[in-house]
Amino acid sequence: DAGVTQSPTHLIKTRGQQVTLRCSPKSGHDTVSWYQQALGQGPQFIFQYYEEEERQRGNFPDRFSGHQFPNYSSELNVNALLLGDSALYLCASSFGGTQYFGPGTRLTVL
Amino acid sequence: KQEVTQIPAALSVPEGENLVLNCSFTDSAIYNLQWFRQDPGKGLTSLLLIQSSQREQTSGRLNASLDKSSGRSTLYIAASQPGDSATYLCAVKWNQAGTALIFGKGTTLSVSS
Repeated sequence: DAGVTQSPTHLIKTRGQQVTLRCSPKSGHDTVSWYQQALGQGPQFIFQYYEEEERQRGNFPDRFSGHQFPNYSSELNVNALLLGDSALYLCASSFGGTQYFGPGTRLTVL
Repeated sequence: KQEVTQIPAALSVPEGENLVLNCSFTDSAIYNLQWFRQDPGKGLTSLLLIQSSQREQTSGRLNASLDKSSGRSTLYIAASQPGDSATYLCAVKWNQAGTALIFGKGTTLSVSS
């Protein structure tokens, strides 16, 4: 059984650009959460998707948006990138319980 | 405001030593608490999950305890090994309906041989 997968592994963008990160949940999981982890910090909750709807959102600006597809996979979109958006972006999937994390996407904004 | 704090930020020990990592949280009305391990630049691996009704959980050389009244959890690692070197993160879920985990900043452990 494959775990949570994320793509791409690494990404380099310049300020002002837009980026899309992708996440495939564990088999049987219907809920996907996204977290941002800056260097030396703990992960911070961005938002969570369930049944293709954003169910909960953390303290992130509207530049951060997402989507969940009928197969439960999810995308995180960030517009108008800032240098401060450089971080490890983690996806976690769950089915009513424990969250399982993917390996993350390392985003560098130059 | 619901916050999670981990002390110390970094810890270095010789191989074989027993050690304790600390996690404190505001607001004792938690739903559950989870300890994760993170290797440099990697994702999170769940180590132990303690429900609010439990006092401790054990897995191999790891033991996590929970004291809601004092707002504290500890992760005890017995007979540490160089392979235990990693960052250990504590995360709290306060709301059963909501699912956001609130993380501490972690404790970076280095075990020398």
